[in-house]
Amino acid sequence: DQQVKQNSPSLSVQEGRISILNCDYTNSMFDYFLWYKKYPAEGPTFLISISSIKDKNEDGRFTVFLNKSAKHLSLHIVPSQPGDSAVYFCAASDNTDKLIFGTGTRLQVFP
Amino acid sequence: AAGVIQSPRHLIKEKRETATLKCYPIPRHDTVYWYQQGPGQDPQFLISFYEKMQSDKGSIPDRFSAQQFSDYHSELNMSSLELGDSALYFCASSAHSLGDEKLFFGSGTQLSVL
Repeated sequence: DQQVKQNSPSLSVQEGRISILNCDYTNSMFDYFLWYKKYPAEGPTFLISISSIKDKNEDGRFTVFLNKSAKHLSLHIVPSQPGDSAVYFCAASDNTDKLIFGTGTRLQVFP
Repeated sequence: AAGVIQSPRHLIKEKRETATLKCYPIPRHDTVYWYQQGPGQDPQFLISFYEKMQSDKGSIPDRFSAQQFSDYHSELNMSSLELGDSALYFCASSAHSLGDEKLFFGSGTQLSVL
């Protein structure tokens, strides 16, 4: 049973445009959400996080939005750059600290 | 800045052999997590340790065991290896006692069971 879902396995965006990656979750006990970026043969790299008490968190080109009623979060990257091309994982945790990962979305930013 | 160190980076074993994966967390991080990522899959939580005690357990087979040592490094021991154990094994660490829930991952150990 996949508690964290990323329904788009891949996304292709032109450089300079906005990339929007989506994530849905089913467990209402999740109270902390994170986005990780992963390159081949490397470990996931932390990007940005949001607590359930917030609905938006921004860090440079990256913004995460949380809609608790819809159990949905999204990551916005603007402007997108070719170096952003990677697999992006959404992850969630409850008070047990361990992360539950989504299935990932492969983002390709083309010139 | 120091990151999570995992060794070895690559490991090739045959069926029924044993393997030991090592993880050195970021200095002053007290919690270590092990994840398994199969080809084309999301990372699956295996087990975690806080202050050298097992803190949580996920989908870890009984053939696997792990521990965290006094210097906070951790080892994942895998016995009676099966073909299906071939995967990328990630270790992550966090500063749980400081209230920081972010996990920082190592580069992983690619295990191939032949």
